[in-house]
Order: sequence, then C-alpha cells, then structure tokens
Amino acid sequence: GENVEQHPSTLSVQEGDSAVIKCTYSDSASNYFPWYKQELGKGPQLIIDIRSNVGEKKDQRIAVTLNKTAKHFSLHITETQPEDSAVYFCAAGTGNQFYFGTGTSLTVIP
Amino acid sequence: EAGVVQSPRYKIIEKKQPVAFWCNPISGHNTLYWYRQNLGQGPELLIRYENEEAVDDSQLPKDRFSAERLKGVDSTLKIQPAELGDSAVYLCASSPGTQETQYFGPGTRLLVL
Repeated sequence: GENVEQHPSTLSVQEGDSAVIKCTYSDSASNYFPWYKQELGKGPQLIIDIRSNVGEKKDQRIAVTLNKTAKHFSLHITETQPEDSAVYFCAAGTGNQFYFGTGTSLTVIP
Repeated sequence: EAGVVQSPRYKIIEKKQPVAFWCNPISGHNTLYWYRQNLGQGPELLIRYENEEAVDDSQLPKDRFSAERLKGVDSTLKIQPAELGDSAVYLCASSPGTQETQYFGPGTRLLVL
C-alpha cells in the first residue's frame, strides 16, 4: 500500500512569515493529493487538493506543488496568521482511498 | 448546506462493553467512510461504503468491529467488546461518489477505561 511521510512534525513561525510542509509518497499510482487542516476537537477540513496532471495550484495564501517524478508534494502558506495555527495533514492515493501523513502541528506566533 | 453529522461527540466506557457510533453524511453523498484516528496520527480507513454496499473493509477488525449502512444513507459503527487500545477518535466522511473530495465530520472521541 501507499506510504506517506510528512515533515516537519512541528513548525513555529512568526505571524506574516511563510510556512512550508513537505510530504513524500511511495506509490507511483497515486494521483490525488489533498491537504487537510484539523483544529483541536474538530474533524479534518479540506483546504486544497491537487491531481497528478497539475504541477501547482494556488488558492489565495495557500499553494500546493507536486513533483511526480520525485514523488513529493508540498504545502505553502504565505502571510501566516494566528488562525492558521492547527495540525495539517497531507494525503496521497486515488479518489477511492488515500493515505494520510502523520501531521504537522503549525503554530503562528503573533 | 449541513455537513457530516456524528454522534455522540464523546463516549467513555469500560473495557469489554459495547459501543456504537452514528453518522449522517451530507445529503446526496453516495460514498461514506469510517476512519480511526489515534492520538498524534493521521486518520486510517476502516471501511468504505458505496451506497449500502461495503466495498472496502480490509482494515476493519472484524472480530470486534461491525458496520452497517441501511438504505445507503446513515451508518453505524459498532465495537463489541471494546478494548483499551480502541481509544481513539472515530471519524466519518462522505463524498458525492468515488474519485471525489471527502468531507469529514467532527468525530466521536472514545475513551475505553
């Protein structure tokens, strides 16, 4: 099955700085890469996703890049705000089933 | 539009007791998923339904876990008997179909004492 590794496990940034979270995957058949944000006591919420026919996707302050050859993808958050503080999960797989990384706890320091 | 609804939100039971979780997916979503999330980990799929049919239950511990999705809408996940290691958050998600974005509910936090 798919194996997704995520780094770093914790990340602290100053408000206004950028944050980058990186993930690698093992199964070349994976074609769908969502990113989820999970706040304390809540379920994961989709923030952005990318499919294998696209190398980059951007939505306001959030962007995701995908390198299928190297089997890695990254989440970029610019101009971070305190409300961005949460745990972020990457995932890789197909639309039927994807496998989650172990999460990155992001803290934005005001 | 209402999101995925789960109940109860919290449950504390003693080991060997039974427990059940309920999920109501987003209206019109044919595919329903149950995940288990251990502390500090990402969610792991337990079972996936397409309408009322369980199409992937390979990760469901069938000796103690069972699930059903009557009429292809609401779903119930049951554990009997519960063990200490079952303490986790049980998440339900739904999507319009396969190959579609999954939307998660708030989860049920289970503590087995």
